[in-house]
Amino acid sequence: DADVTQTPRNRITKTGKRIMLECSQTKGHDRMYWYRQDPGLGLRLIYYSFDVKDINKGEISDGYSVSRQAQAKFSLSLESAIPNQTALYFCATSDGGQLTSGNTIYFGEGSWLTVV
Amino acid sequence: GDSVTQMEGPVTLSEEAFLTINCTYTATGYPSLFWYVQYPGEGLQLLLKATKADDKGSNKGFEATYRKETTSFHLEKGSVQVSDSAVYFCALKKRGGSYIPTFGRGTSLIVHP
Repeated sequence: DADVTQTPRNRITKTGKRIMLECSQTKGHDRMYWYRQDPGLGLRLIYYSFDVKDINKGEISDGYSVSRQAQAKFSLSLESAIPNQTALYFCATSDGGQLTSGNTIYFGEGSWLTVV
Repeated sequence: GDSVTQMEGPVTLSEEAFLTINCTYTATGYPSLFWYVQYPGEGLQLLLKATKADDKGSNKGFEATYRKETTSFHLEKGSVQVSDSAVYFCALKKRGGSYIPTFGRGTSLIVHP
C-alpha cells in the first residue's frame, strides 16, 4: 500500500460545486502539505500543517480550505470550484520532528481535478 | 525570498546520451538541496539530495554536487535510458524557520530509443 493515499484520483466537477480531496498517510509524520501542479508552473503550495492544531496558508490559498482531522488525515476543499482550479493536486508529508532541513518529502500519486 | 531556477524543457536525448539538467538557487543561509523525479502518472519521489556544500548526492546513476560558490546543484547522468523519461524537479529546504521546501518549475526529459 502507498504511504500517502489520495482520493479521488480523478474527478470532474461543475463550476460552483463544492469538492473535497482527501489525503491519508501511514508514515506517522507530523507535517502534511497540499500542492497544486500546473504545466510550466511547477508545484505551488496551497496549505500546510505541522500538526493537528496547526494550519498555515501557502502561496496560493485563495479559493481553498483545509482540515486536519487527525495526524494521518489532511483534506483539501474547494468551496465553489472554478475552471482555473483545474489542475493536478498533490498531498505530501514529511517528518519535522528532528528539525532538520534534510528530511525527505513523500508525495501521493496525485488527484486530477477538472472543473467544467 | 528563496527560489530555484531550472533549465526549461523538454530535454530530448537519444538513449545512452549524457544528461545535464541545470539548477541554480537563491537562498540565505545554507539550504539542503534535492532532486525529485515524477514518472508519468505518478507523484514525485526523491531521487537524491545533498545537505551541505561539496556533498554529492547519487542514486540510480544520477549525480548532483552541491556547489555553494556557484549556488548550483546540476543533475547529471552518464548514459540515459528510455525509462529515465520523466519530469525532474530541483528543490531546496533551509535550516531554521519553517523548513517548507521550495521547488523549481520542473524539467521534462524525453529519451528516445
